[in-house]
Amino acid sequence: EIVLTQSPGTLSLSPGERVTLSCRASQSVSSSQLAWYQQKPGQAPRLLVYGASSRATGIPDRFSGSGSGTDFTLTISRLEPEDFAVYYCQQYGSSPETFGQGTKLEIK
Amino acid sequence: EVQLVESGGGLVQPGRSLRLSCAASGFTFNDYAMHWVRQAPGKGLEWVSGISWNSGSIGYADSVRGRFTISRDNAKNSLYLQMSSLRAEDMALYYCAKGGFLHWLSRDDAFDIWGQGTMVTVSS
Repeated sequence: EIVLTQSPGTLSLSPGERVTLSCRASQSVSSSQLAWYQQKPGQAPRLLVYGASSRATGIPDRFSGSGSGTDFTLTISRLEPEDFAVYYCQQYGSSPETFGQGTKLEIK
Repeated sequence: EVQLVESGGGLVQPGRSLRLSCAASGFTFNDYAMHWVRQAPGKGLEWVSGISWNSGSIGYADSVRGRFTISRDNAKNSLYLQMSSLRAEDMALYYCAKGGFLHWLSRDDAFDIWGQGTMVTVSS
């Protein structure tokens, strides 16, 4: 099983700041089959990035993903108030598909 | 409108069974892999199971293998999760999610559509 470790666990930031979230895999992720999701309280997760770096439909370009192998990042170039949420990475290249434990972005 | 609607959750005693359903609309259901993902209260996301378009390939998390069974009925645009021998640790909000074209574990198997979830409570 591929274990995904996200860091940090919680980040306190202000709107307008730039943030980079990390997701490290215990083994290489096949064909960069790595996705990022955003989840707000009481809502289902929303797909942000797939294939490590491709933005999903309707996702603003302030969100960008990068990485390969075992190290992946999600960058939000300028935080908007609606971006404060929990972010999860997921690998879907090998079974079982797995999620990271999440990074919570909170308003400073 | 593309939509997934889960149902079938509720309160169940430990050791009993429950069947979840997910009704899909707004896309060609039989063209896509489908998944179940759960989230225990206050916790993160856990992939539970995935199924290919024709039910030819199925996978489970170790935590549910042998107790849960995923299935689909393409004629009814529906996904199911039969859960048996339920434990306290199975208590969670269960989401169904749309996966990749035809196959799970494929290059496009990120979950682009999610339902709102159905809550399963396991308690005596």
